[in-house]
Amino acid sequence: DGGITQSPKYLFRKEGQNVTLSCEQNLNHDAMYWYRQDPGQGLRLIYYSQIVNDFQKGDIAEGYSVSREKKESFPLTVTSAQKNPTAFYLCASSTPFRANTEAFFGQGTRLTVV
Amino acid sequence: EDQVTQSPEALRLQEGESSSLNCSYTVSGLRGLFWYRQDPGKGPEFLFTLYSAGEEKEKERLKATLTKKESFLHITAPKPEDSATYLCAVQARAGNMLTFGGGTRLMVKP
Repeated sequence: DGGITQSPKYLFRKEGQNVTLSCEQNLNHDAMYWYRQDPGQGLRLIYYSQIVNDFQKGDIAEGYSVSREKKESFPLTVTSAQKNPTAFYLCASSTPFRANTEAFFGQGTRLTVV
Repeated sequence: EDQVTQSPEALRLQEGESSSLNCSYTVSGLRGLFWYRQDPGKGPEFLFTLYSAGEEKEKERLKATLTKKESFLHITAPKPEDSATYLCAVQARAGNMLTFGGGTRLMVKP
């Protein structure tokens, strides 16, 4: 089945630690995105990538980093510089250069600082 | 700057009681407006894309409509399994990112 896989589902981070969230897609989509969702709120864009080896900052990129070495993979690192990282993280992908541009989402990773 | 506002923030309905959710938007040239359903602890599930004013899409008890300033998600005779958060997002012609509203949390009581 084609889809987007995020791992792990739950992640705990100690103060001062960097952690990496995985996102893999087998939909052959060119574009991939990372969003953050806080309780009772909508989604805010962290980073996005439209092609391999290229990515751009979204609205809340500070304290986060990404890489796009393969079309299928777009990992997100939450660094120690992110002061309030506890949130639900969602990865998405789409085909922005075609007629149907809707984004499809993974099942999310819930990150908690302990 | 693109903006999306959804109302109400929360909506409680009795089973069978029809209603509508609102999504007001401002965008510099609309490429598409998207509706998603999100269950607790899950990723959003795609429902509809609307591209131009006057367009309508239907799926089971849901019907989405679009004007130049807002979109409505009409829910006819809802069932408890329709309980979820419904998210609206817009995509501008100039870019590929989605700008999301805050969502409407729908609760349908049996």
